Amino acid sequence: AQTVTQSQPEMSVQEAETVTLSCTYDTSESDYYLFWYKQPPSRQMILVIRQEAYKQQNATENRFSVNFQKAAKSFSLKISDSQLGDAAMYFCAYRSLASGTYKYIFGTGTRLKVLA
Amino acid sequence: DAGVTQSPTHLIKTRGQHVTLRCSPISGHKSVSWYQQVLGQGPQFIFQYYEKEERGRGNFPDRFSARQFPNYSSELNVNALLLGDSALYLCASSSELAVLPGNEQFFGPGTRLTVL
Repeated sequence: AQTVTQSQPEMSVQEAETVTLSCTYDTSESDYYLFWYKQPPSRQMILVIRQEAYKQQNATENRFSVNFQKAAKSFSLKISDSQLGDAAMYFCAYRSLASGTYKYIFGTGTRLKVLA
Repeated sequence: DAGVTQSPTHLIKTRGQHVTLRCSPISGHKSVSWYQQVLGQGPQFIFQYYEKEERGRGNFPDRFSARQFPNYSSELNVNALLLGDSALYLCASSSELAVLPGNEQFFGPGTRLTVL
C-alpha cells in the first residue's frame, strides 16, 4: 500500500522569503501523480501544483515549484517570495495510475505561517 | 461557473443517528469522490463514483454508503453515528476518471459534522 509522509507539522517563513515543505512517499509503482494542495481556513482544498512521475522535469507554477526525486521518493514544495495569503495547511497527495485505482492518498499536512 | 457545492455547511447529530450529506459537482463533471478529514489529519478516501457506479472504496465500515444520481450529484450516508465520525467531509469532482492535464480533482468547501 502507498503511504505519504509529511514530517513537518508546522513551518514559518518571513514575508518575501522562500520556504520548502517536505514530503516523502512510499510506493512500488512506477507510474503515478503527485500533488500539493493548499487548504486555507476557509477549508476549500486548492490544487497548487502537480507532477507526473514519468517526467524528469520539475513542475513549476509561478512562485511554486517542486523538487521531485523519484529514486528517493521525495517531493518537496518550494514557495518563493512568500505572501501573507500563502498561510494555510499544505497537503501532499499521491494518486496511482494503476487501472481501477482512483483514490488520492494524502499526508497529514504542514501548517505554514507567514510572518509580516 | 459554480464550483463544487456541498450541503449542509455544518451539522450536529447525536450518537446513533443517521446523516445524509449532499454534493453537486462542477457542471459537466461525471466523477465524484468523498473524503473524511478528521481534525489535524489529511483527507481519507471514502468513495468514488463515476457515471453512477461505485469505482473505489476506502477502508470505512459498512455504515458508510453513497450513491450518485443521473445528474451526477451525490449523497453520502452514514448510519449509527459514532463520536469518531465527527469530521469535515469533503466532496471532490473531476470530469473523468483518468488523471490528465486539465482534469484535476476539484474540492468543495466541505460539511462539518459534529457528533455529540
